[in-house]
Amino acid sequence: GESVGLHLPTLSVQEGDNSIINCAYSNSASDYFIWYKQESGKGPQFIIDIRSNMDKRQGQRVTVLLNKTVKHLSLQIAATQPGDSAVYFCAENGGTSYGKLTFGQGTILTVHP
Amino acid sequence: NAGVTQTPKFRILKIGQSMTLQCTQDMNHNYMYWYRQDPGMGLKLIYYSVGAGITDKGEVPNGYNVSRSTTEDFPLRLELAAPSQTSVYFCASSRISGNTIYFGEGSWLTVV
Repeated sequence: GESVGLHLPTLSVQEGDNSIINCAYSNSASDYFIWYKQESGKGPQFIIDIRSNMDKRQGQRVTVLLNKTVKHLSLQIAATQPGDSAVYFCAENGGTSYGKLTFGQGTILTVHP
Repeated sequence: NAGVTQTPKFRILKIGQSMTLQCTQDMNHNYMYWYRQDPGMGLKLIYYSVGAGITDKGEVPNGYNVSRSTTEDFPLRLELAAPSQTSVYFCASSRISGNTIYFGEGSWLTVV
């Protein structure tokens, strides 16, 4: 069935490096994508979102890139800090009008000092 | 800012028991959701509501019930707890469809 998946389940980087977390989606009807950060024992925290009429969106230290041709989404974190260590999920709405999200499995990002 | 508040934080249930997970939001959001997250997995939608008095099934609704009598509250009911319902439950809300969804801190449920 339709799904959202991640290429890399774990990612380890050094403090100060840039991190790139990738996500593949298969539902071509999806028009809204979100990246969430989840720290241990906490709920998902919104990082950044992007709509299908855009291919790039920037936030504070984060950038999301959307390639609709190959159904690929990525999250770039600049100057990664130890506080960025968490599980990162991409989610897509499948084109639904009610904001229902389908989540990927998640990527564990570990930042070493 | 309270945001989305869930109770209880932790609960252990015996097989066959029932319980209600409470969820309330103070952002006047129309849309509310219940997700479950199994270990090492992403979140799966159980039920959602687009407004008071309106609820609908998500991806994994079996074994659960919800109600939405007010804009603020969206309780999740487990009638006959089963070990397969051991999970972390997240309530969430959004102002309108396609808008940012805000999550609560989660409720850890163990069924033994």
